[in-house]
Amino acid sequence: RKEVEQDPGPFNVPEGATVAFNCTYSNSASQSFFWYRQDCRKEPKLLMSVYSSGNEDGRFTAQLNRASQYISLLIRDSKLSDSATYLCVVKNRGNTPLVFGKGTRLSVIA
Amino acid sequence: DAGVTQSPTHLIKTRGQQVTLRCSPKSGHDTVSWYQQALGQGPQFIFQYYEEEERQRGNFPDRFSGHQFPNYSSELNVNALLLGDSALYLCASSSGPSNQPQHFGDGTRLSIL
Repeated sequence: RKEVEQDPGPFNVPEGATVAFNCTYSNSASQSFFWYRQDCRKEPKLLMSVYSSGNEDGRFTAQLNRASQYISLLIRDSKLSDSATYLCVVKNRGNTPLVFGKGTRLSVIA
Repeated sequence: DAGVTQSPTHLIKTRGQQVTLRCSPKSGHDTVSWYQQALGQGPQFIFQYYEEEERQRGNFPDRFSGHQFPNYSSELNVNALLLGDSALYLCASSSGPSNQPQHFGDGTRLSIL
């Protein structure tokens, strides 16, 4: 079983739609959680960290369920510019590397 | 304030050759991590350098080696290239080996023929 699993998509949604991405992780020792965004042929960029209490940044909401080892990202009012691959990332405590999922591809259509 | 810079942008090699990729970390960062991203996959951790030493290593063979210089820049060397080494190689820097977030460079796209 892969350490971080995501639905690869693609998710094709119209502008203005709400879309949710899910991610599960297998290592219960994971301490830090992130969503990265990666545009085609570009580097990953941090979208937001994910906190146990859930957190929101504009149209983006991230949730963490430690008991179920599940992370989610909700995008409201999708824009064309949201089209990208969204990578779920986990990290253990201390000097440990980031562990990436395969990513979920989103295409927002006019 | 320069971000993470990588060179070259693209590279084409043949099987059996050797390659060196370079990375300069973001200003103020002292830790460099290297990742390999194959097509359709997420980045996979290769290794991390801090204080000119390899501190962490992922599940990559010894053909993958690296170096960090006193100015914190880093090189990734791959020997005896295989077709499966074709990928985007990403360098990420941070301030300290445990700190987040990591800032990624644009990557080097390596194609093996």
